[in-house]
Amino acid sequence: ELKVEQNPLFLSMQEGKNYTIYCNYSTTSDRLYWYRQDPGKSLESLFVLLSNGAVKQEGRLMASLDTKARLSTLHITAAVHDLSATYFCAESSGADGLTFGKGTHLIIQP
Amino acid sequence: DVKVTQSSRYLVKRTGEKVFLECVQDMDHENMFWYRQDPGLGLRLIYFSYDVKMKEKGDIPEGYSVSREKKERFSLILESASTNQTSMYLCASSLGGALRYEQYFGPGTRLTVT
Repeated sequence: ELKVEQNPLFLSMQEGKNYTIYCNYSTTSDRLYWYRQDPGKSLESLFVLLSNGAVKQEGRLMASLDTKARLSTLHITAAVHDLSATYFCAESSGADGLTFGKGTHLIIQP
Repeated sequence: DVKVTQSSRYLVKRTGEKVFLECVQDMDHENMFWYRQDPGLGLRLIYFSYDVKMKEKGDIPEGYSVSREKKERFSLILESASTNQTSMYLCASSLGGALRYEQYFGPGTRLTVT
């Protein structure tokens, strides 16, 4: 059974701090996606990681992929309130499209 | 930009009603998907389609059916709505050739069945 596990599922942090969300998956996928979801809204694509060692950055968010460890990370640098959202990772080795993690609910407090 | 639209943002239906949720994408994508999202359960795949008139069951197809008569349109049908189908429904599409490509999501339909 394909599994995608995110850790933590809930995170409350202060503005200005750094933190990392972890995404472990159980297959040999070489393609990993990160999405953001604001409350009551749909999923918005953040990053597409296509190979081992891939690193992508957008503003205060940086995502990386280690296919040998079956691990992707989403690192938040100097968090700001606007980054409060739920973040999903998804991997693509399944026969029916993407397999999503349960999401990390991130709250950033002033 | 890929655009995926869904017919309603909010919908309230009564138990036993037949419910149609419509999804349209404008980027000529071959693959289309229907998910439901519930607190603590993440996204669960209901059905997907990789071509016109083709459909495949996802993880939780019971109580649902789908229709894809045109490439750009994928409909989710609740034959007889029940209260346990109250949820957020998300439609997505992706390029053809494989099911592993990035999915683009619509705004979602929040369905309440009373």
